[in-house]
Amino acid sequence: EPEVTQTPSHQVTQMGQEVILRCVPISNHLYFYWYRQILGQKVEFLVSFYNNEISEKSEIFDDQFSVERPDGSNFTLKIRSTKLEDSAMYFCASSEARYLGAPGELFFGEGSRLTVL
Amino acid sequence: LAKTTQPISMDSYEGQEVNITCSHNNIATNDYITWYQQFPSQGPRFIIQGYKTKVTNEVASLFIPADRKSSTLSLPRVSLSDTAVYYCLPPDGAAGNKLTFGGGTRVLVKP
Repeated sequence: EPEVTQTPSHQVTQMGQEVILRCVPISNHLYFYWYRQILGQKVEFLVSFYNNEISEKSEIFDDQFSVERPDGSNFTLKIRSTKLEDSAMYFCASSEARYLGAPGELFFGEGSRLTVL
Repeated sequence: LAKTTQPISMDSYEGQEVNITCSHNNIATNDYITWYQQFPSQGPRFIIQGYKTKVTNEVASLFIPADRKSSTLSLPRVSLSDTAVYYCLPPDGAAGNKLTFGGGTRVLVKP
């Protein structure tokens, strides 16, 4: 069964460092997402991406965050200068199609755990 | 965004049927309801999606009454491995292309 893969599974970084989280979505999917989940809290939407541009982003997704689909297969999330509060599990997701009122089934990766010291 | 309300937690026993009801009073006319499941330290996983009446797949059933102001996810004969958090989600965003997760319902299946 096709799956979304994420790397690294766990990254530890120092505050102020740049971090890039990588995702390989399912190959025929058109919509891409990043979510995060701080330990013990709910899953939070960060950004959605379609047709090589951001289609929607949350208040969390400020200027410190950026996304890119550099080569048609990878989908990356960059955090320019990490803060302690960026420590969380980051989930990438992709979906094949979207219909009016019905987002297509989102397939989530296993997540990348980011620890900022 | 249609605000959803669902129980914070539910306990059950192996072999029982678990029903989780979610209320979404101001759901939009075109919105579908989607349910996801999340195990600890894993990404959410799609369970089922529906618009009205009843939808069934190999994992669960989803009942949506005519007024669509609520929906009930039914998990038949649960096992210990069904212990997870279950989320009821209408679409969100101007284009409906994102999902906003609430707190979900933490289901604990006991032996």
